[in-house]
Amino acid sequence: QVQLQESGPGLVKPSETLSLTCAVSGYSISSGYYWGWIRQPPGKGLEWIGSIYHSGSTYYNPSLKSRVTISVDTSKNQFSLKLSSVTAADTAVYYCARHIAVAVTNWFDPWGQGTLVTVSS
Amino acid sequence: QSVLTQPPSVSGAPGQRVTISCTGSSSNIGAGYDVHWYQQLPGTAPKLLIYGNSNRPSGVPDRFSGSKSGTSASLAITGLQAEDEADYYCQSYDSSLSAHVVFGGGTKLTVL
Repeated sequence: QVQLQESGPGLVKPSETLSLTCAVSGYSISSGYYWGWIRQPPGKGLEWIGSIYHSGSTYYNPSLKSRVTISVDTSKNQFSLKLSSVTAADTAVYYCARHIAVAVTNWFDPWGQGTLVTVSS
Repeated sequence: QSVLTQPPSVSGAPGQRVTISCTGSSSNIGAGYDVHWYQQLPGTAPKLLIYGNSNRPSGVPDRFSGSKSGTSASLAITGLQAEDEADYYCQSYDSSLSAHVVFGGGTKLTVL
């Protein structure tokens, strides 16, 4: 079955760039679907960050768009997130997930286990 | 403030039926866009519970059901069990925000 695993630094300094990678197993990204990033600040709800198609086509949450870049590496079967100019407000558990889109309806399944990223000096 | 509004908490005794509402507007649920539900057990990642308003993925017990009417959707859990204690989130699409994904604020279900 499809499995996703996030990896990257757990601590990032303010104003720097947060970088995470999501490795996908059990399914080839090149075969289709969108692949997305979602975050959850401690004790708070879920916030979609953005998603990417295997072709490289992306769409982002307008509230984060100016700071977000999502890319895909089909040769490694993984996709990545970069969030620039981070502040303490970006401290969160970051999840990657397969983003299933049918016309405009879309949902996430499955999800990675998540990785906590803390922004602090 | 979340685009989709959920009650912060609900509770019920084992065996009872509880419902969790998800209220939107004419630019999301009311426009006919599907609603999906996720269950997040303590300390774990969210898991898809219901997709397309009322469809259960393989492995999800039929105690969980979803419905949609007008600008709202509901998740119903019957035969409540202790292991159902979790946070539940609804999710949909919103045409007014250029945001393809909107989540509710989440509801904490406590099994008494």
